[in-house]
Amino acid sequence: AQSVTQLDSHVSVSEGTPVLLRCNYSSSYSPSLFWYVQHPNKGLQLLLKYTSAATLVKGINGFEAEFKKSETSFHLTKPSAHMSDAAEYFCVVSVTNFGNEKLTFGTGTRLTIIP
Amino acid sequence: NAGVMQNPRHLVRRRGQEARLRCSPMKGHSHVYWYRQLPEEGLKFMVYLQKENIIDESGMPKERFSAEFPKEGPSILRIQQVVRGDSAAYFCASSPRRAGAEAFFGQGTRLTVV
Repeated sequence: AQSVTQLDSHVSVSEGTPVLLRCNYSSSYSPSLFWYVQHPNKGLQLLLKYTSAATLVKGINGFEAEFKKSETSFHLTKPSAHMSDAAEYFCVVSVTNFGNEKLTFGTGTRLTIIP
Repeated sequence: NAGVMQNPRHLVRRRGQEARLRCSPMKGHSHVYWYRQLPEEGLKFMVYLQKENIIDESGMPKERFSAEFPKEGPSILRIQQVVRGDSAAYFCASSPRRAGAEAFFGQGTRLTVV
């Protein structure tokens, strides 16, 4: 079985300061890990993904995430927050079993940017 | 190329009525996934379909829920005899191949059962 825990339901940072959104996972198999972003009234957009290559993954809009197997973590970071980063962020673990790929979503972290 | 289109965006049904949610995949995409998001929870997989075939429905409730993806037209998620617990956001995603995480998501349909 697999699960995802997003440790913060809400995060607020000032514009121009670093962003850290935390995610821990558990999986019986080698997982793929993803971060999705959902802006208000929009669909989910893939930010970045880890699929057992480099442990530091760079995504769109200046975001990156580091896969740490020893800590079972996949935290999302950005050096400098922008107002347009205000959105809901979902950490996702994917496991392929017998040819079927299943996505397990975290409960989401709402990021607020303070001007 | 328009994105994944879901309609309606908001749907209100009385208990016992039927709800029909539509999803038009992106052009060229033949794989469709449906997810449900209950309040304060993450998205949960419901069903994976290809044209005219249900591939994986392991996340679908055993009763009242059904899904189809006909040769022509949108994918339909149908909920019969809705109950208050069906109130949720329902998201559809489409993909050109079987790669669940690299699917493109629609904006969702928010179903409210009164």
